[in-house]
Amino acid sequence: QSVLTQPPSVSGAPGQRVTISCTGSSSNIGAGFDVHWYQQLPGTAPKVFIYGNSNRPSGVPDRFSGSKSGTSASLAITGLQAEDEADYYCQSYDRSLSGSVFGGGTKLTVL
Amino acid sequence: EVQLVESGGGLVKPGGSLRLSCVASGFTFSSSSINWVRQAPGEGLEWVSSISSKNYKYYADSVKGRFTISRDNAKNSLYLQMNSLRVEDTAVYYCARASEWYYMDVWGKGTTVTVSS
Repeated sequence: QSVLTQPPSVSGAPGQRVTISCTGSSSNIGAGFDVHWYQQLPGTAPKVFIYGNSNRPSGVPDRFSGSKSGTSASLAITGLQAEDEADYYCQSYDRSLSGSVFGGGTKLTVL
Repeated sequence: EVQLVESGGGLVKPGGSLRLSCVASGFTFSSSSINWVRQAPGEGLEWVSSISSKNYKYYADSVKGRFTISRDNAKNSLYLQMNSLRVEDTAVYYCARASEWYYMDVWGKGTTVTVSS
């Protein structure tokens, strides 16, 4: 059971918008710690797509955006493309555990 | 090129030990905090351990008392000594650099640990 909760799967047609939620608690997201999002393609290491709740590293399309409110965060992807099909993970810090915590991951399927 | 390269994975019996290594290049290793993150087959990411530039060490509850993280700045290397291994420790183990924003900005390709009798 992951400390951060994500839906196991989401899907959307090309061009559509999807969101992936990440729910934590008062010891992690709710305590003010930043949320980061990673994309993982099959057989490869994760790659950060959003850092500090809403910042995009260079090279990440502006179709990807992040937000945070209270004990939750969201990753939104607009104008879905086939290449967006991957697993997405949220990550934050938990002060009770004194370490990083990940969500269980969400598999995005582009229909 | 900024890079992390893991090694040391393999097949080990339950109760056995293994030492993973991670060699860094392309950045100032001694100034960086580094994490170990693992991923069991078909499962999600799990943070395992981290070590700060000042040598502070942190562990997930699942490995506390069994795993030891260490670093050798002269060799630009990070280590994970894994003892009393369990079947549930089977995973790909990644080393990942912590950025100033505390996200993991550089990842290695991973090394596979299989614990099986």
